[in-house]
Amino acid sequence: QVQLVQSGAEVKKPGASVKVSCKASGYTFTSFGISWVRQAPGQGLEWMGWISPYTGNTNYAQKFQGRVTMTTDTSTSTAYMELRSLRPDDTAVYYCARDALGDQGVYDSWGQGALVTVSS
Amino acid sequence: SSELTQDPAVSVALGQTVRITCQGDSLRSYHASWYQQKPGQAPVVVIYAKNNRPSGIPDRFSGSSSGNTASLTITGAQAEDEADYYCNSRDSSGKHVVFGGGTKLTVL
Repeated sequence: QVQLVQSGAEVKKPGASVKVSCKASGYTFTSFGISWVRQAPGQGLEWMGWISPYTGNTNYAQKFQGRVTMTTDTSTSTAYMELRSLRPDDTAVYYCARDALGDQGVYDSWGQGALVTVSS
Repeated sequence: SSELTQDPAVSVALGQTVRITCQGDSLRSYHASWYQQKPGQAPVVVIYAKNNRPSGIPDRFSGSSSGNTASLTITGAQAEDEADYYCNSRDSSGKHVVFGGGTKLTVL
């Protein structure tokens, strides 16, 4: 079955960077895009961007342009999301999700989430 | 603020029908999908591309769209349907994905 397993919780200081991983299994990794979605405590879902593991093409939300980098390693079927210059309001659960229909935002499988806490 | 607008909270009596709406100009051009999220869990897609239901999702969940409004209808709401529901679609530029602010559904 399709599974996305993310790395564990992280605590970072303001100004630092964090890199979250998302290991996929149960399907052909290069056949589906991966999106990253975050959720601040008690808040809604926020789309951060998308990457094609097949081409490496990315599409970032304007809010995160210049601060986020999404990459994939097809040899290990793993996607990564790096967020730099962290601020306290970046504290959130970060999810990876498989896009079932290209880059249309139809997410049929989600990772378990990785809590990133930004605090001095 | 989100380009997709949802009512923050909706309630429904057990066994009754409830409609959760999502409004936005981009919905005139793009389909919406709907996600259910229970506390402490990752979201689960319940309807995608306007009115397609993934396998395993009960047929009491259905989707529709008219003009700038997409709707998720639960016909015969069950206690286990109590959750937060989010719509998503493309933004007005068509370049990016955007989520609605979410609707907390309470089943009375």
